[in-house]
Amino acid sequence: AQRVTQPEKLLSVFKGAPVELKCNYSYSGSPELFWYVQYSRQRLQLLLRHISRESIKGFTADLNKGETSFHLKKPFAQEEDSAMYYCARTSGGSYIPTFGRGTSLIVHP
Amino acid sequence: EPEVTQTPSHQVTQMGQEVILRCVPISNHLYFYWYRQILGQKVEFLVSFYNNEISEKSEIFDDQFSVERPDGSNFTLKIRSTKLEDSAMYFCASRILVEEQFFGPGTRLTVL
Repeated sequence: AQRVTQPEKLLSVFKGAPVELKCNYSYSGSPELFWYVQYSRQRLQLLLRHISRESIKGFTADLNKGETSFHLKKPFAQEEDSAMYYCARTSGGSYIPTFGRGTSLIVHP
Repeated sequence: EPEVTQTPSHQVTQMGQEVILRCVPISNHLYFYWYRQILGQKVEFLVSFYNNEISEKSEIFDDQFSVERPDGSNFTLKIRSTKLEDSAMYFCASRILVEEQFFGPGTRLTVL
């Protein structure tokens, strides 16, 4: 079964501090990994995907197949980064993501 | 920018009643989805719909659930006889071909 684990329910940092939101996935097939974000009172939206190797809003995520991880990182957190972050995966050509439970990021001024 | 819309934003119902949650996907999208998120838990896939039929469904999507695309714009999720444990946020999503899924704002269903 596909599993996505986000061990932290809550991550609280101060503005300007580095952020790392952890995500581990179960190894099966050829997974595609994603990070979704949900800002307060807004809809769930795609933040980035591993195949794009892009940086969005200063966030990056590297797929580590050896550790089966896809941690989301940002060197300097901003208050507007406060949101729920969901790691997700698909595999086998399916477009249906399996979501992690989410991590609430709070960035204090 | 086009968005997926959902109505109502909050639905309160009595246990055993039928509810219909409505979604208007982005107009040129072809694939449609329903997800639910029980409070404090992860977002879970319910069902996907393509070419006027269900293409995939999860074990959550039992006989109490049904989906329909009654016209060219709406995509509905019906729960025939609601149970307390159906209380959750229900998200609709749509996509076109290989692009990402776009999510609606969700409907909060409260079953009393």
